[in-house]
Amino acid sequence: DSGVTQTPKHLITATGQRVTLRCSPRSGDLSVYWYQQSLDQGLQFLIQYYNGEERAKGNILERFSAQQFPDLHSELNLSSLELGDSALYFCASSVVASSYEQYFGPGTRLTVT
Amino acid sequence: AQSVTQPDIHITVSEGASLELRCNYSYGATPYLFWYVQSPGQGLQLLLKYFSGDTLVQGIKGFEAEFKRSQSSFNLRKPSVHWSDAAEYFCAVTPNFGNEKLTFGTGTRLTIIP
Repeated sequence: DSGVTQTPKHLITATGQRVTLRCSPRSGDLSVYWYQQSLDQGLQFLIQYYNGEERAKGNILERFSAQQFPDLHSELNLSSLELGDSALYFCASSVVASSYEQYFGPGTRLTVT
Repeated sequence: AQSVTQPDIHITVSEGASLELRCNYSYGATPYLFWYVQSPGQGLQLLLKYFSGDTLVQGIKGFEAEFKRSQSSFNLRKPSVHWSDAAEYFCAVTPNFGNEKLTFGTGTRLTIIP
């Protein structure tokens, strides 16, 4: 158990819908990262937040957005969902922005039908 | 752009046999290097990491990895595998200057046969 929690575990929704994935980092960790794991793209970095501020962006679609709240939990919002958005979405956390040890949550499996 | 190559998509070894998973990176400087393991239905767990210093690093679960600058490689090894080692293994890199995003390889799926 990494100490990073993600909810929900599974999510099934229809194309065009919007969903929110939630992540609670390990106690004391200030930095949160979001990754997408799909069969065709592999594991890809989406976005990073540090202490409430966006710090780095990766291959995140404009239909996706994220935020980190004052209690340090983070939410990833996915809108106008397409079949290709079906994937496993991981959250990871680390103590400080320049810490290179990231601890991963169990992931949220999103299925778009 | 930096990249990570794991040339073996799937490897099968017998329980008790030795294991080596290959990882090559492409980057101008020496990045920070990691190996993660993903068991079925689980998140990723950090096995070991290399930042600098001794090129042979020890990790959890009896794994070790050796950094070879001349070959741009960071291969993962275990002298004797156990059935519980069956999982997917990912090599990852990050630049060693204030950019924390991990770039992952495509993974190697390890199957253990009795």
